[in-house]
Formats: sequence, C-alpha cells, structure tokens
Amino acid sequence: QMQLVQSGAEVKTFGASVKVSCKASGYLFTEFYIHWVRQAPGQGPEWMGWINPNTGGTNYAQKFQGWVTMTRDTSTNTAYMQLSRLMPEDTAVYYCAREGIARRPDYYFDSWGQGTRITVAS
Amino acid sequence: QSVLTQPPSVSAAPRQKVTIACSGSRFNIGNNYVSWYQQIPGKAPQLLIYDNNKRPSGIPDRFSASKSGTSATLGITGLQPVDEANYYCGTWDSSLSSVVFGGGTKLTVL
Repeated sequence: QMQLVQSGAEVKTFGASVKVSCKASGYLFTEFYIHWVRQAPGQGPEWMGWINPNTGGTNYAQKFQGWVTMTRDTSTNTAYMQLSRLMPEDTAVYYCAREGIARRPDYYFDSWGQGTRITVAS
Repeated sequence: QSVLTQPPSVSAAPRQKVTIACSGSRFNIGNNYVSWYQQIPGKAPQLLIYDNNKRPSGIPDRFSASKSGTSATLGITGLQPVDEANYYCGTWDSSLSSVVFGGGTKLTVL
C-alpha cells in the first residue's frame, strides 16, 4: 500500500528556513513526480512545484522561484522541500502529493502526505 | 482570490443530489484536464475525479463530474453525512504555468 509520510510540525521565526521531508513507500519512488502543495488556514490549496525523483529535475511555481528548493534522496525514497526567508504569511500546512501518472506531470495528485504544519512567528 | 471560482457553500438533504460548479478560463479549464478533491477538515485532500470525469479505484460511483467549455461540475448523488467536507477543483493554467485550485466549496448535508 503506497504511503507518503511527512516530518512533524515546526515553529519558525521570521526570516528562518524550514525543510520538510516526505518519505514514500509502497511503490517505485523514481517513477512518479512528487508535488508540493501548501494550504494556509481557511484557504484553498496552493501549488508550489514538483520534483522528478528519477532525475532530480524541478519545476517551481513562479511565486516560489528563488526561495523554494526541492530535492530528493533516492537511497531513502524521500523528497524534501526547503523554504527560506520565512514570513508569517507562510504559516500553512505543507503537503507532498504524488503525481497520478507515471514518468510525467499530468497535474493531478492521487496520494497525499498527512501534511506538515509550519507556523512562522513574527 | 482564487483563479478558479467555486461557490463557497452548498447544502442538501440526505439521499438527495448536489452539484458544485467550478469556473475558469480558456487558459485553465478550457484547455486542460480538471481534477476534484474532497477534504475533510484537518485531513489531507483526497482525489475524487481526474481527467475531467474519471474516478480512481475506490471512489463510489455516486461521484461524477463533467466539463464544458471553461466550466466544470462535480455531482454527488445519494448524499450521506460522511460526504460533509470541502471540495476543490484543480487544473493546469498555461498562462501562469502553474496548477491552480478553486477556493473550495463547503458541502453541508442537512
């Protein structure tokens, strides 16, 4: 049974960085893109970008270019999302989600991690 | 302000049918596949529909969806209390080069 398990909640101060992990199991990690989506309190989801676990290639949403970094470790089947220069408005639940189709992005997400709550204090 | 527009809330009685609309433009819904997600508060979203109208395995056929032009619609028949949740539409936007989502619709089963 496929599963994405994320790291735990964190509280950060203004200007700090955070790195969230997403460990995949139950399927071939390198076959499916991993997307990162965040959701601020009371808001709809916001897509941040994807990483191709096979090549390490990334595609970031324009809004996040320059301050998000997505990486992966194929030896542990884990994807990472690092966000720098945190501001209070970055307070949200951050999700990793698996692409629904193998080997290319089709932009629907068939399995999600449990979410990681990041709180940024001013 | 979300790129895709959904009604904030809908409601219906148990065993009734409800539809949730999602409106966009030619840059997103008009030329790309639409997906739908159910999110129970405090939980991660769950995929209900992909490629406009396909259901993943395990999703009951009470859930259906369609697309016409720059709008999409999710339909739920035989409403049950467990269907109470927030529902989001999503698609690729070629002008923004980004996945975009609706603001969500809260379904209340009266």
